[in-house]
Amino acid sequence: QSALTQPASVSGSPGQSITISCTGTSSDVGGYNFVSWYQQHPGKAPKLIIYDVSDRPSGVSNRFSGSKSGNTASLTISGLQAEDEADYYCSSFTSSSTLVFGGGTKLTVL
Amino acid sequence: EVQLVQSGAEVKKPGESLRISCKGSGYSFTNYWINWVRQMPGKGLEWMGRIDPSDSYTNYSPSFQGHVTISADKSIGTAYLQWSSLEASDTAMYYCARHPVVTPMLHYWGQGTLVTVSS
Repeated sequence: QSALTQPASVSGSPGQSITISCTGTSSDVGGYNFVSWYQQHPGKAPKLIIYDVSDRPSGVSNRFSGSKSGNTASLTISGLQAEDEADYYCSSFTSSSTLVFGGGTKLTVL
Repeated sequence: EVQLVQSGAEVKKPGESLRISCKGSGYSFTNYWINWVRQMPGKGLEWMGRIDPSDSYTNYSPSFQGHVTISADKSIGTAYLQWSSLEASDTAMYYCARHPVVTPMLHYWGQGTLVTVSS
């Protein structure tokens, strides 16, 4: 199974919105509503921010939102803040009953 | 409070065996799958495999099948990741994380175990 495709980096200024894409196939992203997104700060364990394409765990800011169209899922962060600077990873359930991560996207807040 | 507490950092030589652990507390251990995720230095997250502690059923990524073994002892609420013969390329941070049966969201993560393999 191949890793899901994410842009290596994105950037935005405080207050702006950014979107990170996550492209897979009909055997993973496109076939199931089991896409999750994780935020990872340096030296820390990943943190779940979106699950089941667009649901937010309790305690996660509503500035984070998720969506999916076809084989591509997206994470949007609105009202960028300095603390959002981190690495972001998508993951999806697959037709092999496994999980697969994206390659990760480094978000820089300018 | 839900916690996944992993065993401490390890330094091993190539060819040696190793087992690292992940102990769950604050929830019913058999109601959640335990997953293992690798992160090599400066690299991204890689899903290795998972186990259902209720019956020890496992799924592995094709990339890791045959190279590692995932197991669990539900009597003590602990999952394991083991290698029979380590390679230098196994040097990485390893995380355990749990997800419920109904959806593969990795909501709770361990703190990570750093494994260093060097001659």
